[in-house]
Amino acid sequence: EIVMTQSPATLSVSPGERATLSCRASQSVSSKLAWYQQKPGQAPRLLIYGASTRATGIPARFSGSGSGTEFTLTISSLQSEDFVVYYCQQYSNWPRAFGQGTKLEIK
Amino acid sequence: QEQLVESGGGVVQPGRSLRLSCAASGFAFSAYGMHWVRQAPGKGLEWVAAISNDGNNKYYADSVKGRFTISRDNSKNTLYLQMNSLRAEDTTVYYCAKDCYYDSSGYFDCWGQGTLVTVSS
Repeated sequence: EIVMTQSPATLSVSPGERATLSCRASQSVSSKLAWYQQKPGQAPRLLIYGASTRATGIPARFSGSGSGTEFTLTISSLQSEDFVVYYCQQYSNWPRAFGQGTKLEIK
Repeated sequence: QEQLVESGGGVVQPGRSLRLSCAASGFAFSAYGMHWVRQAPGKGLEWVAAISNDGNNKYYADSVKGRFTISRDNSKNTLYLQMNSLRAEDTTVYYCAKDCYYDSSGYFDCWGQGTLVTVSS
């Protein structure tokens, strides 16, 4: 079973600055890594798949990188609506696994 | 526009059963794998179960294996989750999610709004 670990649990950044969120897999998932954004009271929304491909309609300030076991979600020039929770998820192996989430808060 | 709408949640006593439904619209339901994902209040996401487009392949998290059954009716564009022997720790919001591939091997590109299940005496 693959375990996904996100860091940090909470990240404090000022609006307009860059945020870097990390996700580590306990074994290689190749590039089968997705990132989701979840706003309060809403369902998750797909941001990134294939580790680095933006989903339809996702702004260019969101970018993903990495492969194997180390992945990064970068949000450049943070907007007010970006201060929510982000999850990574591997879809390489069964069972599917999510990280525990990173909450992005305003500094 | 792709849409998933869950229903069937509610309050149920420990040990009892409940069936959730997820109605799909706006896409060719029979062409895609589907998943159930749950989230306890204030907690993270937990994958629960998956089913291939034709219903022939099913996958479960260890936490629900033997108690929950995923199924689908492609003629009704509906996904189901039959939950038996419910426990307090099954108290969560349940989301259905569409896979990007037919065999449930991909990422989740569409999610429902969720339905809350509360297991309590």
